[in-house]
Amino acid sequence: EDQVTQSPEALRLQEGESSSLNCSYTVSGLRGLFWYRQDPGKGPEFLFTLYSAGEEKEKERLKATLTKKESFLHITAPKPEDSATYLCAVHKSNDYKLSFGAGTTVTVRA
Amino acid sequence: DGGITQSPKYLFRKEGQNVTLSCEQNLNHDAMYWYRQDPGQGLRLIYYSQIVNDFQKGDIAEGYSVSREKKESFPLTVTSAQKNPTAFYLCASTSDRIVGGNYGYTFGSGTRLTVV
Repeated sequence: EDQVTQSPEALRLQEGESSSLNCSYTVSGLRGLFWYRQDPGKGPEFLFTLYSAGEEKEKERLKATLTKKESFLHITAPKPEDSATYLCAVHKSNDYKLSFGAGTTVTVRA
Repeated sequence: DGGITQSPKYLFRKEGQNVTLSCEQNLNHDAMYWYRQDPGQGLRLIYYSQIVNDFQKGDIAEGYSVSREKKESFPLTVTSAQKNPTAFYLCASTSDRIVGGNYGYTFGSGTRLTVV
């Protein structure tokens, strides 16, 4: 059965304290892995798409990487405005939907 | 600006009542989706539609119904048969019928439904 597991469930960081979020997946025929940011009471916003193992993408303080079994979202020197829930989703070949993990809620304190 | 509009933002349902959540997009996307989000759980697919006048059940369709009479609109009705409807509902769309591409989904801002 296809699974997407995110860890940790919650992460509390001090401003400037770098850390990583994990997304482990077991799907056959991965077509793409997506990272989204979701603020409370709002819809998810697109961050990155990764397609193949070894691929990396960066945006401001965020960097996403992909291996054959997992993806990491690295947050470098986070600021309070990086506080949000980060969602990971996978799309497998010939499927009609994205499958989501439960998310990691990040809180960055000043 | 193009996007997805969900309304209302908050909705309260009495026991035994049907309610309809609106989802409108002006992105010219073919495929539209309804997801349900509960605390501590991943988004779960309720229904999806890849083309006008056609829709398919997702993983948790029981107690819900949809229609797709126009490309721009994909309303979701939560019926009295849905025993635990309190949740955050998200509508999404994509131009790729098999989803994916560079951006995956575009999401609306959500509707929070509460049973009173």
